[in-house]
Amino acid sequence: GEDVEQSLFLSVREGDSSVINCTYTDSSSTYLYWYKQEPGAGLQLLTYIFSNMDMKQDQRLTVLLNKKDKHLSLRIADTQTGDSAIYFCALHGYSTLTFGKGTMLLVSP
Amino acid sequence: EPEVTQTPSHQVTQMGQEVILRCVPISNHLYFYWYRQILGQKVEFLVSFYNNEISEKSEIFDDQFSVERPDGSNFTLKIRSTKLEDSAMYFCASSASSGRVADTQYFGPGTRLTVL
Repeated sequence: GEDVEQSLFLSVREGDSSVINCTYTDSSSTYLYWYKQEPGAGLQLLTYIFSNMDMKQDQRLTVLLNKKDKHLSLRIADTQTGDSAIYFCALHGYSTLTFGKGTMLLVSP
Repeated sequence: EPEVTQTPSHQVTQMGQEVILRCVPISNHLYFYWYRQILGQKVEFLVSFYNNEISEKSEIFDDQFSVERPDGSNFTLKIRSTKLEDSAMYFCASSASSGRVADTQYFGPGTRLTVL
């Protein structure tokens, strides 16, 4: 089955850019998502990219997809303390999502 | 903005007891899902449900689990005889359809189940 891997922790300073990485094994997914989970809250959809795209920009968020290397990244520009959360990449299969373990982003002032 | 809601937020139960986790999906959505996240582990798919029947389930979703849409708004997950390893955060999600980006899955805040 699909395997999705993420680094577990990232620490940045406020105002810096954050880059959260994700690698996967199955290239048949058509949509790739980034979800955000704040403490005590559910999974909030941040953005997504279709598998025939290389890049998508949405305000401070930039998603890059390298299909050859099966690598997905999320870049957050001008990171704020409110961006501190766990970020999950998720791949859309037939009808289900396969998630990574999540990357905890800690933004310090 | 419409959202998925779940109750209770935290459920504590004794091993062997039955629990029912409740979800109210977004009202015009047709596909419903349960996922779980054991502490420190990945979010794992359990089951998807459409048109009053299970459309897909994972190997985690064994005979101890069942899902039901008892009325027009609720979607429930029942665990018949809980085990210690069922302790996890359970997320409900819904989508208008499946397989299309316009029908992304929207998640509830989760129910934390603790089995003692």
